[in-house]
Amino acid sequence: QVTLKESGPGILQPSHTLSLTCSFSGFSLSTYGMGVSWIRQPSGKGLEWLASIWWNGNTYNNPSLKSRLTVSKDTSNNQAFLKVTSVDTADTATYYCAHTRYYDGYYPFDYWGQGVMVTVSS
Amino acid sequence: DIQMTQSPSFLSASVGDRVTINCKASQNINKYLNWYQQKLGEAPKRLIYNTNNLQTGIPSRFSGSGSGTDYTLTISSLQPEDFATYFCLQHNSFPWTFGGGTKLELK
Repeated sequence: QVTLKESGPGILQPSHTLSLTCSFSGFSLSTYGMGVSWIRQPSGKGLEWLASIWWNGNTYNNPSLKSRLTVSKDTSNNQAFLKVTSVDTADTATYYCAHTRYYDGYYPFDYWGQGVMVTVSS
Repeated sequence: DIQMTQSPSFLSASVGDRVTINCKASQNINKYLNWYQQKLGEAPKRLIYNTNNLQTGIPSRFSGSGSGTDYTLTISSLQPEDFATYFCLQHNSFPWTFGGGTKLELK
């Protein structure tokens, strides 16, 4: 059974760096085809894919956030990480991590974490 | 980036109704289109993947169709638990992009 859970600071100040952790079980990020993606959703608004990291270490980031995103993983501890630098109020959102699979094509977001709310405020 | 235009944004319907929600892509997405349901305060849940494949455990009243740039989610007979917001997602090319959402409300 695949489960994921996000954790993060809750609130942070503008210009700071947001660091989020996705702790998961039921799969390994060292297994061929496995990936973890990050998606965010401002309150009452739509969804935005941010980034994905794959079993082989490859990453894909949404260019709309330019070079502010970094994704990484700790395979031994079944965790994935997202860092967003230079945050501002527009980064206030619920952040989700989601299991993503690759097998002769991509199979995004079949399992989701519960989400973690992040507020950027001075 | 591929833009996903979802319609309608709001939909009022009654239990037992048949409803359709549409997503139009700005270019051919080769059937790489998923549908998600999100209830208030919850994470999205995948209903359909690759246009017409029903996720395990999802009732058969949900179905998907389409090709090229035009895709549809159909709920054949609305149940009380189906009132939620629905999103489409294209995963034909990065960056993956979502439609703006359809809020399905009880009439």
